[in-house]
Amino acid sequence: EVQLVESGGGFVQPGGSLRLSCAASGFTFSIYGMNWVRQAPGKGLEWVSGISGAGGGTFYADSVRGRITTARDDSKNTFLLQMDSLRADDTAVYYCARGADGYLDSWGQGTLVTVSS
Amino acid sequence: QPVLTQSSSASASLGSSVKLTCTLSSGHSSKIIGWHQQQPGMAPRFLMKVEGSGNYNKGSGVPDRFSGSSSGTDRYLTISNLQSEDEADYYCETWDTNTRVFGGGTKLTVL
Repeated sequence: EVQLVESGGGFVQPGGSLRLSCAASGFTFSIYGMNWVRQAPGKGLEWVSGISGAGGGTFYADSVRGRITTARDDSKNTFLLQMDSLRADDTAVYYCARGADGYLDSWGQGTLVTVSS
Repeated sequence: QPVLTQSSSASASLGSSVKLTCTLSSGHSSKIIGWHQQQPGMAPRFLMKVEGSGNYNKGSGVPDRFSGSSSGTDRYLTISNLQSEDEADYYCETWDTNTRVFGGGTKLTVL
């Protein structure tokens, strides 16, 4: 069974940093692309970032490019999101999701990031 | 990159059927999309992928009441024999040129 478990969310002041992790299990992690998707309170889903499988490239939404870095550690089956220069509008639940052939096919339970002074 | 358009809301009666639509912008009629369900207070759940041909493949445990289809740039999610637990937000998404795009979501109310 595919399992994705996010951690690392919390409360941070504007301008601060946070590092999210997604622990994956139940599948061959290294061959799958992975994605971060966020959902601000009362809003829809917004794709944030993705990384290809097998050492491929990284991709970012325009809204976060330059402030966010995504990486993967295939030896630990872990997917990471480093967020810097956080703003109030980054407040959201952040979901880790597995990429299939052009679509997402599994989701984690999410971790809440709150940016506020 | 493609734009995905969904109606903001839909409603249907308990036990009836409803067909939700996700429309791809012009020039993207071959795109595969994913349909996802988000019940209140829960994480999204993958329901199925729908291809431009109309073929669809459901995720594990998705009831037979859920089906997919396609016509041109439209991708459909049909839910038959609506149950109260089907009341949720439904999102479509796709991938194109290093960007993933979501539709705005449809809030389904079961009357």
